[in-house]
Amino acid sequence: QKEVEQNSGPLSVPEGAIASLNCTYSDRVSQSFFWYRQYSGKSPELIMSIYSNGDKEDGRFTAQLNKASQYVSLLIRDSQPSDSATYLCAVVMDSSYKLIFGSGTRLLVRP
Amino acid sequence: DGGITQSPKYLFRKEGQNVTLSCEQNLNHDAMYWYRQDPGQGLRLIYYSQIVNDFQKGDIAEGYSVSREKKESFPLTVTSAQKNPTAFYLCASSIPTEDGELFFGEGSRLTVL
Repeated sequence: QKEVEQNSGPLSVPEGAIASLNCTYSDRVSQSFFWYRQYSGKSPELIMSIYSNGDKEDGRFTAQLNKASQYVSLLIRDSQPSDSATYLCAVVMDSSYKLIFGSGTRLLVRP
Repeated sequence: DGGITQSPKYLFRKEGQNVTLSCEQNLNHDAMYWYRQDPGQGLRLIYYSQIVNDFQKGDIAEGYSVSREKKESFPLTVTSAQKNPTAFYLCASSIPTEDGELFFGEGSRLTVL
């Protein structure tokens, strides 16, 4: 079983819609969760971090964490064509603080 | 400006040759990491180091070697033992705490001819 799982997509949404990206993880003791955005051929950039259950909002982005279900999601409101990228979910595993990445979900925002 | 510098950005290698990818950071971070990314895939951890003169294998360390002689530097050598080395290599650094954000370099793309 993969430690961090994401649907590879592509997830296609029209401009202005809400894009919902999901991620599940296997380690029950994980405490830190991150969403990175990666454009083709570029390095990942941090979008959101979340550490406690519930929602965390930053502009058009909302991260949601449910530790009981081992589930973290990212909502992008008012999606723009410039949001088209691969979104990587990452989880800090055990006491070594190493970050394990999912395989990413490719998002396409149609104009 | 603080950041992570990887070099070279593009590298071509003949089969059987070792190559070394450079990674330098001036963020004063203790922890450094090397990830590999294949087309359409996520990042897989090769090696990581949380302190100078110490490093640990990640999930795909076979065929790779690293050193950490200085806090600022964490070079990765791709040896001839790595059977499928063509990939995008990313170096990152962080403060080694549970909520430490990873900062990435721009990556090095290695192609074996």
